[in-house]
Amino acid sequence: DGGITQSPKYLFRKEGQNVTLSCEQNLNHDAMYWYRQDPGQGLRLIYYSQIVNDFQKGDIAEGYSVSREKKESFPLTVTSAQKNPTAFYLCASSRTSGITGELFFGEGSRLTVL
Amino acid sequence: EDKVVQSPLSLVVHEGDTVTLNCSYEVTNFRSLLWYKQEKKAPTFLFMLTSSGIEKKSGRLSSILDKKELFSILNITATQTGDSAIYLCAVLYSGAGSYQLTFGKGTKLSVIP
Repeated sequence: DGGITQSPKYLFRKEGQNVTLSCEQNLNHDAMYWYRQDPGQGLRLIYYSQIVNDFQKGDIAEGYSVSREKKESFPLTVTSAQKNPTAFYLCASSRTSGITGELFFGEGSRLTVL
Repeated sequence: EDKVVQSPLSLVVHEGDTVTLNCSYEVTNFRSLLWYKQEKKAPTFLFMLTSSGIEKKSGRLSSILDKKELFSILNITATQTGDSAIYLCAVLYSGAGSYQLTFGKGTKLSVIP
């Protein structure tokens, strides 16, 4: 079955540590996205990539980094520079560079910084 | 300021009730408005609306867009406990050489037996 796989589902880290969240898709989608969801805040865009080896900052990119070396994979690193990293992170993909707006989401990764 | 505003932010109804969720937006170069349902983790796509006045329907759910007044509504009739979820509205628009998709804060719907 095609879909988006995020791992880990739950992650606990100490303050000051970098963490990397994995996102893999087998939908053959060109575009991939990372969103952050906080209670009462909706989804906010962190980074997106429309094609391999290219990515753009979203609305809240500070303290995060990404790479897109393969079409299937779009890992997100939450660095120690991110002031409030505890959140629910959602990865998504879309068929053609987001033109239709329809996104397919993974199950999410919940990061808790202690 | 927020480009996409949803109301109410939360709503509690009894099974069988009909609910209307609202989404207003303010963007330039509008392309489409999308509704998603988020039950536990992954949001799932419900509707995409691009034209005013044309109702999209799926079972007990329906949605319509008003591009003149810049809003959309999502109706759910004969609600069931399985309709309990966060309903997200998102607007796709073009800007800065690419397409941007902005989400509202969501409406949390709770349906009690």
